[in-house]
Amino acid sequence: DAGVTQSPTHLIKTRGQQVTLRCSPISGHKSVSWYQQVLGQGPQFIFQYYEKEERGRGNFPDRFSARQFPNYSSELNVNALLLGDSALYLCASSLEGVAKGGPPGFGQGTRLTVV
Amino acid sequence: AQSVTQLGSHVSVSEGALVLLRCNYSSSVPPYLFWYVQYPNQGLQLLLKYTTGATLVKGINGFEAEFKKSETSFHLTKPSAHMSDAAEYFCAVRRFNNAGNMLTFGGGTRLMVKP
Repeated sequence: DAGVTQSPTHLIKTRGQQVTLRCSPISGHKSVSWYQQVLGQGPQFIFQYYEKEERGRGNFPDRFSARQFPNYSSELNVNALLLGDSALYLCASSLEGVAKGGPPGFGQGTRLTVV
Repeated sequence: AQSVTQLGSHVSVSEGALVLLRCNYSSSVPPYLFWYVQYPNQGLQLLLKYTTGATLVKGINGFEAEFKKSETSFHLTKPSAHMSDAAEYFCAVRRFNNAGNMLTFGGGTRLMVKP
């Protein structure tokens, strides 16, 4: 089975632009989460979606938004990009939304560079 | 609120030596704890997890961790380091509510293995 797949793998954007990152979960997984990992730090939770509904949101500004599609894939959108948005964006998927112990599997990430 | 502290942002050991990476957590409820490894320019790979039951947990690549409730610790160990163990290691605690898979990560420990 394919793991979590993210696209694109690398992206360079200019300040003020908008970006969309995509994630396909592991087959059968209905929960998708997004994390931001700034260089030298641990990942920070951004969003979690389960059955196409937002179930959790981290401490990120409204410039960050996401959605989940009927096939459980997900998009993360970031508007009005700032230099500080440069980071590795990780997508994770798991079987269920309610915490039952199953750890999420992570994709390889999208490296976003804002110049 | 839950938090994770990893003592030592960098740890250096000789090949064949004991690896000990420290993790302390705070949680108001029984925690679910995880260790992930990240190789350069890659996503996160699960090493091991603790949910309930046996407090000594064995993972992949010869790693293990022991959950000590009295010390609020979940340190990662490996008896003999290998060059291929050089990577970034993250300890994480899972929020236990219907938000599902929201993980709170520590800041990470970079393990360097000297020949």
